[in-house]
Amino acid sequence: GDSVTQMEGPVTLSEEAFLTINCTYTATGYPSLFWYVQYPGEGLQLLLKATKADDKGSNKGFEATYRKETTSFHLEKGSVQVSDSAVYFCALSDRGNFNKFYFGSGTKLNVKP
Amino acid sequence: DAGITQSPRYKITETGRQVTLMCHQTWSHSYMFWYRQDLGHGLRLIYYSAAADITDKGEVPDGYVVSRSKTENFPLTLESATRSQTSVYFCASSEQGNGYTFGSGTRLTVV
Repeated sequence: GDSVTQMEGPVTLSEEAFLTINCTYTATGYPSLFWYVQYPGEGLQLLLKATKADDKGSNKGFEATYRKETTSFHLEKGSVQVSDSAVYFCALSDRGNFNKFYFGSGTKLNVKP
Repeated sequence: DAGITQSPRYKITETGRQVTLMCHQTWSHSYMFWYRQDLGHGLRLIYYSAAADITDKGEVPDGYVVSRSKTENFPLTLESATRSQTSVYFCASSEQGNGYTFGSGTRLTVV
């Protein structure tokens, strides 16, 4: 079945460091891929998405490219800020199955000043 | 305001009591979902709905009941609350092919 695997955290970085959070997926069809962010005490917010192979999603300095050949959707940011501290979830959407989403387990990012 | 609203934000209830968590969305999205979020388990799907009067079980449905008589509402009922149902509950809605929009969550404590 469909699934998402993302790197375990927590990830601790200094401000202005480069961020990569790895995400790989397994899917039988042609899913859409998403990154969500959850700030403390809040719900999940959509950060970016890509709907087909080679698409690049971007938002707030974060980027991720849909790589079908490696079944990956790694999240990157060139220079993180303290305000980026949050939990990041990779997800895929199975459009053929009631639009169900499959979430990774989440990666906590701590950014130190 | 447009959006997805969950109520209450916080709830403390006793073991064995029935409790209902409310979810309301203003977009008329077809799909709605209930998740619980627990440390070490990530997000787990409880129930989902593709349209009014169409619901189906997710990964962890035992002990929960849902209904969807109107497109905009998707209440989740714990018929007889247990301590293992202490969790943060998130409702979400979406349209086909688009991302989920999540509510702010309900933090439920069963004592």
